Amino acid sequence: QVQLVQSAYELKKPGASVKISCKTSGYTFTSYPINWVRQAPGQGLEWVGWVIPNTGNPTYAQGFTGRFVFSVDTSASTAYLQISGLKAEDTALYYCARDGAAAGHDVFDIWGQGTMLTVSS
Amino acid sequence: DIQMTQSPSSLSASIRDSVSITCRASQNIDNYLNWYQQKPGKAPKLLIYGASSLQSGVPSRFSGSGSGTDFTLTISSLQPEDFATYYCQQSYSKIPYTFGQGTKLEIK
Repeated sequence: QVQLVQSAYELKKPGASVKISCKTSGYTFTSYPINWVRQAPGQGLEWVGWVIPNTGNPTYAQGFTGRFVFSVDTSASTAYLQISGLKAEDTALYYCARDGAAAGHDVFDIWGQGTMLTVSS
Repeated sequence: DIQMTQSPSSLSASIRDSVSITCRASQNIDNYLNWYQQKPGKAPKLLIYGASSLQSGVPSRFSGSGSGTDFTLTISSLQPEDFATYYCQQSYSKIPYTFGQGTKLEIK
């Protein structure tokens, strides 16, 4: 079945970098964009941006430019989110989600289980 | 950016009640409105797309309506598994996609 499996948990110090993975299976990886969504503790959902797997072309939401970088490895059907210069406020759950299409509407139809990133000294 | 505002922020109801959650967009989004359900410790799950179309596998007690700027998610005959947080999302303007702040549905 279609699945997105993420790296589970990351604990990093301020100023460090992290690379979160999102391994896909059950569908053609290059056919659908991958979105990244952040959920701070006890908060709602915030779109970080998306990456087009067949080109690697990323789009970042405002506020997520500079330190956030999306990449893909098409041979491994995996998308990555790298965050550099980590700050305490980056502490959150990060989800990847497939950008599917339902009757002409873009939907986040399949989600990874989430990666909990904790930034603490 | 298109702002999405949900109301109420939280809601208490009993099993077999019917409840409605509203979502208002800051500008016209036609019917480019999706609803997601999130349970504690789990990823969100797509319930409704295109304002009123039920995602495959979602029970028919969930329904959506609206167009333009005002939308409603209705859950009829609440079941124990329906107590969760619900988010609306607009897909009219994809850069950026935006979500409502969420509505937490709790058991009374």
